[in-house]
Amino acid sequence: RKEVEQDPGPFNVPEGATVAFNCTYSNSASQSFFWYRQDCRKEPKLLMSVYSSGNEDGRFTAQLNRASQYISLLIRDSKLSDSATYLCVVSSRGGRRALTFGSGTRLQVQP
Amino acid sequence: EAEVAQSPRYKITEKSQAVAFWCDPISGHATLYWYRQILGQGPELLVQFQDESVVDDSQLPKDRFSAERLKGVDSTLKIQPAELGDSAMYLCASSQVGPRRDEQFFGPGTRLTVL
Repeated sequence: RKEVEQDPGPFNVPEGATVAFNCTYSNSASQSFFWYRQDCRKEPKLLMSVYSSGNEDGRFTAQLNRASQYISLLIRDSKLSDSATYLCVVSSRGGRRALTFGSGTRLQVQP
Repeated sequence: EAEVAQSPRYKITEKSQAVAFWCDPISGHATLYWYRQILGQGPELLVQFQDESVVDDSQLPKDRFSAERLKGVDSTLKIQPAELGDSAMYLCASSQVGPRRDEQFFGPGTRLTVL
């Protein structure tokens, strides 16, 4: 079983739609949580950190459920420019703070 | 805005040849990471440095891969000999110490093709 699991998609949605991505992680010692965005053949870029209280950044809302070891990302009013792969990422406690990535969920927003 | 620099951006080589990738992290970032990303998968850590010291190289195939960060600034990742299965994107990332140490910034990557 992978340490971070995501639905690979693709999710094909029309412009203006609301889309939700889910992610589960297996390491209960995971300390920090993120969503990264990766455009085709480009490097991953931090989209947002995820906090237990939930957090929102414009059209993007991220939530964390530590008890269920579950992370979500909601995108409202999808834009064509949102088309990308969204990577769920966790970081473990301690000195080794390397990130563990899911395989990503691909989103394609269509006109 | 400060960026992580990597070179070359693309590398094509034949199997059994040696290849080397270079990374220059954001100035002041003490932690440097090398990741490998195979098409369709997320990046996987190869090696992590704190300053010039290796913190984690448990996933680095040490029979053919080596990494160094001699002065605690830029870093080199080497593969010798390259194998077909090494074809992937090699990503370098860096992060600072302190409260935001988990936020990693990635370079543009080196796309390696082994023929």
